[in-house]
Amino acid sequence: DTGVSQDPRHKITKRGQNVTFRCDPISEHNRLYWYRQTLGQGPEFLTYFQNEAQLEKSRLLSDRFSAERPKGSFSTLEIQRTEQGDSAMYLCASSLAGGSYEQYFGPGTRLTVT
Amino acid sequence: AQTVTQSQPEMSVQEAETVTLSCTYDTSENNYYLFWYKQPPSRQMILVIRQEAYKQQNATENRFSVNFQKAAKSFSLKISDSQLGDTAMYFCAFMNPSLTGNQFYFGTGTSLTVIP
Repeated sequence: DTGVSQDPRHKITKRGQNVTFRCDPISEHNRLYWYRQTLGQGPEFLTYFQNEAQLEKSRLLSDRFSAERPKGSFSTLEIQRTEQGDSAMYLCASSLAGGSYEQYFGPGTRLTVT
Repeated sequence: AQTVTQSQPEMSVQEAETVTLSCTYDTSENNYYLFWYKQPPSRQMILVIRQEAYKQQNATENRFSVNFQKAAKSFSLKISDSQLGDTAMYFCAFMNPSLTGNQFYFGTGTSLTVIP
């Protein structure tokens, strides 16, 4: 098992463009989380999936954000019409429901909106 | 709402010495979990140690131990025999298993530097 992976690791985009990030969780994990981390802050919860169902979304997740997890495997996070305030590290984590509650984090995707 | 406070933005410690990172949290729940995660520079977060609130015994993992004071809502991390590889951001996190999704609430982190 190679752990949680995220792609790309870095993304630079111009304001107004759309971006999409991918997360591949640990294969047997049925829960998948997206967090956002800005400089000097801890990660903040965005959304969570159990299998393919998106069960909770934070108020931080504006209408410009959408996440999917088709077939309960990898997940994508799309940001439409990016704004400079979207610049952050986007972290993905996975866990096993009914397990130890530990979340395993990926390396993150650093987004810079110019 | 759950809040987690880490009041030490930066700390340093001499190699081989002991350092304690502080964390306080606010919750009305009785059953919850607390975690310390380590985030080395440009690397992903990894779990350091975990504590279940219903357990009175403080968790220990090799050189890492916690001082869990439930009544005071305090959860400090002690690192003994500090090593250069301990240099990282350390985040305290709270999780309430009765909430849908079991999402983590993180503090703002403490940047620890181990000085050779």
